[in-house]
Amino acid sequence: DGGITQSPKYLFRKEGQNVTLSCEQNLNHDAMYWYRQDPGQGLRLIYYSQIVNDFQKGDIAEGYSVSREKKESFPLTVTSAQKNPTAFYLCASSPRQGYPTDTQYFGPGTRLTVL
Amino acid sequence: LAKTTQPISMDSYEGQEVNITCSHNNIATNDYITWYQQFPSQGPRFIIQGYKTKVTNEVASLFIPADRKSSTLSLPRVSLSDTAVYYCLAENRDDKIIFGKGTRLHILP
Repeated sequence: DGGITQSPKYLFRKEGQNVTLSCEQNLNHDAMYWYRQDPGQGLRLIYYSQIVNDFQKGDIAEGYSVSREKKESFPLTVTSAQKNPTAFYLCASSPRQGYPTDTQYFGPGTRLTVL
Repeated sequence: LAKTTQPISMDSYEGQEVNITCSHNNIATNDYITWYQQFPSQGPRFIIQGYKTKVTNEVASLFIPADRKSSTLSLPRVSLSDTAVYYCLAENRDDKIIFGKGTRLHILP
């Protein structure tokens, strides 16, 4: 069964702690993305990666970090520098690098709440 | 960057045809327009994509006039389950696309 998975579905952390959100895909896609969504708002791009060992900042990268050591995995770390981390985080992948209009396939999301 | 503008929200009734218009004033000749649908607490899902005239699939149609300054997503005979947020995306010159705030469509019985 091909798809994109995110874990955990819900995550609670204390203020000041770093937290890592998992994103895995078995679609053999080159490109992967992380988005943040706040209540009633659209998606904002945090980071994206077109190929293994390479990634670029999106529109709101401050306070976040990523790695892309394997094609199928693109974890996102929310650091203590992120001033307002409580949000719904969505990971996506698309087949080819350099083709932004390729269909993006989204995971189920992780809802992070910082207490 | 190509910017899109869509209505914040729309209401319609079951069985009606719904048309959501998206304005995109500065897209290039072969730039694609893509629409996604998002239900609450889920990731968006691809609906349809095109760059000229009309494209139709099993769930929607996409109309793009000759001047390409706007496009219209058409949902035939909507049902309650079509209540969702609909995003219009325009291609950009770099390697990313931009999701705006979308149109919140509410289908009434």
